[in-house]
Amino acid sequence: AQSVTQLGSHVSVSEGALVLLRCNYSSSVPPYLFWYVQYPNQGLQLLLKYTTGATLVKGINGFEAEFKKSETSFHLTKPSAHMSDAAEYFCVLNRDDKIIFGKGTRLHILP
Amino acid sequence: EAQVTQNPRYLITVTGKKLTVTCSQNMNHEYMSWYRQDPGLGLRQIYYSMNVEVTDKGDVPEGYKVSRKEKRNFPLILESPSPNQTSLYFCASSRRGTLMNTEAFFGQGTRLTVV
Repeated sequence: AQSVTQLGSHVSVSEGALVLLRCNYSSSVPPYLFWYVQYPNQGLQLLLKYTTGATLVKGINGFEAEFKKSETSFHLTKPSAHMSDAAEYFCVLNRDDKIIFGKGTRLHILP
Repeated sequence: EAQVTQNPRYLITVTGKKLTVTCSQNMNHEYMSWYRQDPGLGLRQIYYSMNVEVTDKGDVPEGYKVSRKEKRNFPLILESPSPNQTSLYFCASSRRGTLMNTEAFFGQGTRLTVV
């Protein structure tokens, strides 16, 4: 069965510090993986996606993610956190007839 | 502009009063889906549709109905809403088949309160 696991429902980082949001997946076929962001009282917005090819994917707002097949991971990073990054982040697997969501990680930025 | 439109954005209703939340997309997507978002539970799929007249249950279908008579529309129907259906609902659409590597597009959400 396909699944997505996000480690940590809440993550706090200081402004300017590295952001690391973890995502592991389980899929019997090559996955299509996405990260979405949800700002307060808004819908979901695509940050970045991995389909095939380059394993390091760059997205909007300085975020990037690396697909590691050997570790079945797709962690999201940003070198320097900004207050505007406070939001909820979802790792998503898109395959066959399903779009599968992780439970989400709420990112808090400390001044 | 490519978009998924949900209506209404906010709705307060009483237990047992039938309601419909509409969802429309202008991207000619085959796949459409409904989710509910609850604190600590993330997004859970209610129903999805692979194409016109093709619908299937997601993870939490009880108490909901859907229909897909046209490609662009995928309404969510609550025949007899109950307080445990109070939630934030999202509609999404996406390509399928060989274009599965494209992202899903989401509506702005419908916050439903059942009293």
